[in-house]
Amino acid sequence: GAVVSQHPSWVICKSGTSVKIECRSLDFQATTMFWYRQFPKQSLMLMATSNEGSKATYEQGVEKDKFLINHASLTLSTLTVTSAHPEDSSFYICSAATSGAEETQYFGPGTRLLVL
Amino acid sequence: AQSVTQPDIHITVSEGASLELRCNYSYGATPYLFWYVQSPGQGLQLLLKYFSGDTLVQGIKGFEAEFKRSQSSFNLRKPSVHWSDAAEYFCAVGAPPGGFKTIFGAGTRLFVKA
Repeated sequence: GAVVSQHPSWVICKSGTSVKIECRSLDFQATTMFWYRQFPKQSLMLMATSNEGSKATYEQGVEKDKFLINHASLTLSTLTVTSAHPEDSSFYICSAATSGAEETQYFGPGTRLLVL
Repeated sequence: AQSVTQPDIHITVSEGASLELRCNYSYGATPYLFWYVQSPGQGLQLLLKYFSGDTLVQGIKGFEAEFKRSQSSFNLRKPSVHWSDAAEYFCAVGAPPGGFKTIFGAGTRLFVKA
């Protein structure tokens, strides 16, 4: 099946710093990538939809200036958590969608962010 | 509005026993349906998907799911559970091209006892 990678797998940072998370589709081109946040023992919460070459679409309640998304190519999307605070600590998961009649999302392994 | 319900927050089964995880959806047309599995600290892995055709879908790791339109259900089954199947399972209603965003159920945690 299609493979999606994320880097880093975990990161610890100080409050006020920025953290960049990369999401790559390794063996297919993804015109659309999604960024999710998952709190402990909860389901995924969609943060934004990222389309290659255009601005991301953010879900209601998600601060676009805090969570910067760049979808620079058909295989790479990045999420930058700017001026991170402890409440931003979470598990961030990206997915990349195949195109065509049977569109399917394939998920990355996730990035654990801990802000001290 | 579209929604996905997984009625069971957690389920415990004995190793070797059969498993059925329930999923009900609400959608105005024939949905695209998925089951994903998540191991602790990991991303989601696609188990199987249904778009059209045969309503009994075979997936990886010995899982299968059956789409029942009359019951708005897409239950996941496995005839014999292995200890390695212990994980969180998510049912999802997917986005047809140009359609709505994928909606995930709350998940069902599967515990397997020896």
